[in-house]
Parts: sequence; C-alpha cells; structure tokens
Amino acid sequence: EAGVAQSPRYKIIEKRQSVAFWCNPISGHATLYWYQQILGQGPKLLIQFQNNGVVDDSQLPKDRFSAERLKGVDSTLKIQPAKLEDSAVYLCASRLGANTGELFFGEGSRLTVL
Amino acid sequence: AQSVTQLGSHVSVSEGALVLLRCNYSSSVPPYLFWYVQYPNQGLQLLLKYTSAATLVKGINGFEAEFKKSETSFHLTKPSAHMSDAAEYFCAVMGGGADGLTFGKGTHLIIQP
Repeated sequence: EAGVAQSPRYKIIEKRQSVAFWCNPISGHATLYWYQQILGQGPKLLIQFQNNGVVDDSQLPKDRFSAERLKGVDSTLKIQPAKLEDSAVYLCASRLGANTGELFFGEGSRLTVL
Repeated sequence: AQSVTQLGSHVSVSEGALVLLRCNYSSSVPPYLFWYVQYPNQGLQLLLKYTSAATLVKGINGFEAEFKKSETSFHLTKPSAHMSDAAEYFCAVMGGGADGLTFGKGTHLIIQP
C-alpha cells in the first residue's frame, strides 16, 4: 500500500515570495491533516479536512496561509507571502475516517525562508 | 484543552541500557495517547497507542508504555537500547471532540556505544 506522498521535499525561497506544497493521502482516507513542525518543536496542527470540507482551521494563519482539498483526495497548502518564521517542515497526514484508525504521515516538505 | 509535556529535550543512554522517555498529559476527557518516532529527514512513525483498553501497551521495536491515570502519565520504555533507536520521540494526545493530535515538544534520544 502506498503511503502519504508529499512534494516538494525541499524548498528554499526568499521572504515575501509564495510557495505551495502538495499532498496525496493514502487511497480511501477521508481525513487529511496539515501540520507545521518548527525546528526543535513538536508538530502543530494547521488544518484538518474531512473529505473536501474543513473541520478545523483554528490555528491556520489565514492572512498568509491557505489550503484546499477540492475533490476530497489530494490537497495543496499555500503560503503567500512567506515570512522568515514560516521556515519549518510541513507534514501531511491522513486517516481512514474522523474517528477511525491511526494517522499516517508523509515525509514532509522542508521550507527555508531567507 | 489538551496538552502534552515531555520531560527532557535530550536523553542519553548507553547501548543495552534501559530507555525511559517521560510524558505527562492534560485532558478534560479520557484521552487517546500515542508515541511517535521520527528519524532524520523522515515523517512520523507510530510506535504505539493507548485507546482505553489495556493500560500497558506494547509497540514496535520492543517499546512499551504504561498509562497511569492517577499520575496523568504515559512514559515510554525499552529494556535494552540499540543504536538504531537514536531518533526524536514525540508523545501525543487526542480527545475532547477534536480528532487531530496535540504533540509534545519531543525528546531526542541519544545512544552511546
């Protein structure tokens, strides 16, 4: 079974530029999460989707971050404009259902903002 | 609100020695608790989980954890450390209506030869 796929693995941009990360969850997984992991810290939930609807985006900085999951499968997380403090690893995770099974994580997309 | 506190950002043990990584949680409802491991430049891998069944949970790679409600703890142990156990370990809690995970800050496990 294929795991959670993320791309790109690494991205370096300058502040005020924009960047987009893509995630393809495990086939059949209805719930998708984006986490931000700053160096030396645990992952922090940014947004949770159930199919193509947003369940929780309370910690998403909506002035610069946006995410979508239009067809309820893959998802895109965008940052525009990026700030230095956005340097982090962005982890995508998926789960079979809202209260079913464990979360499976992708390898992450490492963002460096200069 | 839920929270997790991991005591010790770095833990160093000798190869073959006992591994003990500490985790305390705060939750207003009976929690689900998890331990994840992260190797360099990789995603998070589930080690074990507590979901209100047996309080002693066995996981992969010889790890186990015990849920102690009276101490609000879920410490991770392994009887004999191996060099391949060197990694970052995260304790996480889920519950209270939210099904996303709340993570601790992580503990970096160092294995000395």
